[in-house]
Amino acid sequence: DQQVKQNSPSLSVQEGRISILNCDYTNSMFDYFLWYKKYPAEGPTFLISISSIKDKNEDGRFTVFLNKSAKHLSLHIVPSQPGDSAVYFCAARILDGYGGSQGNLIFGKGTKLSVKP
Amino acid sequence: DTEVTQTPKHLVMGMTNKKSLKCEQHMGHRAMYWYKQKAKKPPELMFVYSYEKLSINESVPSRFSPECPNSSLLNLHLHALQPEDSALYLCASSPSRDILDEQYFGPGTRLTVT
Repeated sequence: DQQVKQNSPSLSVQEGRISILNCDYTNSMFDYFLWYKKYPAEGPTFLISISSIKDKNEDGRFTVFLNKSAKHLSLHIVPSQPGDSAVYFCAARILDGYGGSQGNLIFGKGTKLSVKP
Repeated sequence: DTEVTQTPKHLVMGMTNKKSLKCEQHMGHRAMYWYKQKAKKPPELMFVYSYEKLSINESVPSRFSPECPNSSLLNLHLHALQPEDSALYLCASSPSRDILDEQYFGPGTRLTVT
């Protein structure tokens, strides 16, 4: 029973165009969301995050949008570059239930982005 | 230095072997994590250490035994593994277990159990 879902296993985009990666979640207790990028033979690298109290966070070419009512977030990459080709993981953190701010990451399955020159 | 290193990169072991995976970071992080990732699946949390104490054990079989000898090192001792334990084992660290601290991942150890 997946709590974080990335329903598109792959996405192909032309260089210079927008890449939109989608992520849905089921647990309304998630309080913080992150995107990680993973190249082959490397571990995931943190890209951008968003707190559940916000609906948008922007960092250079990367923007994450959060729609809490729809339990949906998306990562926009504009403009896309060939070096962006990688697997993108959506992750969510849930509070550990002790009233503190500690949490564990729950990952989606990932979406493989290919940016063609 | 924002790097988490893991050794070895690849490991092939038989079901009767004992081996260890090692993870190291020198960022002063006080939380360290072991994840397991099977092909085309998301990383799944196995263990969390916070200030060198085991904080989370996600019902992992006892054939996996974590150890945190100091704040920079995290080991995963393997004994009597099964072929289905073959996977990529990822180590990560973060400044603390605070929800806002991002986790830095190592490149992983590709484990094959024969």
